[in-house]
Amino acid sequence: DTGVSQDPRHKITKRGQNVTFRCDPISEHNRLYWYRQTLGQGPEFLTYFQNEAQLEKSRLLSDRFSAERPKGSFSTLEIQRTEQGDSAMYLCASSLFRDIRSGNTIYFGEGSWLTVV
Amino acid sequence: ELKVEQNPLFLSMQEGKNYTIYCNYSTTSDRLYWYRQDPGKSLESLFVLLSNGAVKQEGRLMASLDTKARLSTLHITAAVHDLSATYFCAVRPDSNYQLIWGAGTKLIIKP
Repeated sequence: DTGVSQDPRHKITKRGQNVTFRCDPISEHNRLYWYRQTLGQGPEFLTYFQNEAQLEKSRLLSDRFSAERPKGSFSTLEIQRTEQGDSAMYLCASSLFRDIRSGNTIYFGEGSWLTVV
Repeated sequence: ELKVEQNPLFLSMQEGKNYTIYCNYSTTSDRLYWYRQDPGKSLESLFVLLSNGAVKQEGRLMASLDTKARLSTLHITAAVHDLSATYFCAVRPDSNYQLIWGAGTKLIIKP
């Protein structure tokens, strides 16, 4: 399978613990996105990379959240000192950006479900 | 405030009928996306619409874009049960790369 893959698919953690999610984008995709989605809502943008550079971060993202894409390939999203309000599905997506006029479809992974108890 | 509003949010319909989902947005945008999501699953890309008057069709689904009215439609023709899902539209404002998402339209198609 050559789609966007995420790991782990499900994570249950106690409040206050740290969690880390990994995303492997589609090979050669230079853009990588992280979104969060809660039940009955549309995805909420968290952050975005072009290659290894983090170009945008949502103002809604607290300092407990950090994302990296050290070699411009896979990415990690870490949540420190988790809170119950962090319970959600964390979606990773990737796309191949060529120029501003191209359609560049954004492909999503299966998501990582986080439950904070 | 940037807003994307979908209408209706919930739709129950019979197989064989036609219906349209509407997506209104409040900002200028250079592209609009439609996605499908099955329960507990990720998002599947359906269409990317880039310009005013763009129309794309795939099977029983057809999407159109009117950038002047800031409106996109997703039309379902002769619905079948397999099309039951939640459909999202998302808009990319001109000014940055963040997608603004609608709340989704939950579509249930009854046999």
